[in-house]
Amino acid sequence: DVQMTQSPSYLAASPGESVSISCKASKSINTYLAWYQEKPGKTNKLLIYSGSTLQSGTPSRFSGSGSGTDFTLTIRSLEPEDFAVYYCQQHNEYPLTFGSGTKLEIK
Amino acid sequence: EVQLVESGGGLVQPGRSLKLSCAASGFTFSDYNMAWVRQAPKKGLEWVATISYDGSSTYYRDSVKGRFTISRDNAKSTLYLQMDSLRSEDTATYYCASSSWGQGVMVTVSS
Repeated sequence: DVQMTQSPSYLAASPGESVSISCKASKSINTYLAWYQEKPGKTNKLLIYSGSTLQSGTPSRFSGSGSGTDFTLTIRSLEPEDFAVYYCQQHNEYPLTFGSGTKLEIK
Repeated sequence: EVQLVESGGGLVQPGRSLKLSCAASGFTFSDYNMAWVRQAPKKGLEWVATISYDGSSTYYRDSVKGRFTISRDNAKSTLYLQMDSLRSEDTATYYCASSSWGQGVMVTVSS
């Protein structure tokens, strides 16, 4: 199975700042990496797939980059609604596997 | 608006069966592969199974292979997960997912 290592597990930032979250795969997954957002009381939301393709409705302040084993989610100019938990997931091969999550909190 | 609504969860004894359903609306269900993902208490997300848009292909994680069956009825826009021979380690919130996710349904396996 492809192991997904996500870091940091916790991140504190202020609105308006930019942050980056890293996701590393235990072997190459080409560009087949998705990012999800989890917020209390809401359903999980797909933000980005195939490494850098924004899902319809994802604000342009979100961006994804990387290929092979190293990937990054960047959120520029944080908005209050961006404080949430973020997960990466590889969709290159079965079993699909997730990172352990990054909790982004307001500083 | 896309909606995925799971049902069928509950408390079940080890070794027994349960069938989850996921009613989809707001999109063309028959165009999309669908999956079940679960999250045990205080644990991370774990993919369970995927079914292709037309039901012709299915994929399972090893720990549920032979015990769980994913299926779909495109005429009813509904996804299913038949869970047999349930174990305590299957206790989790189960989510129906494609590009959108449902709210989840809790399954507790305990005597």
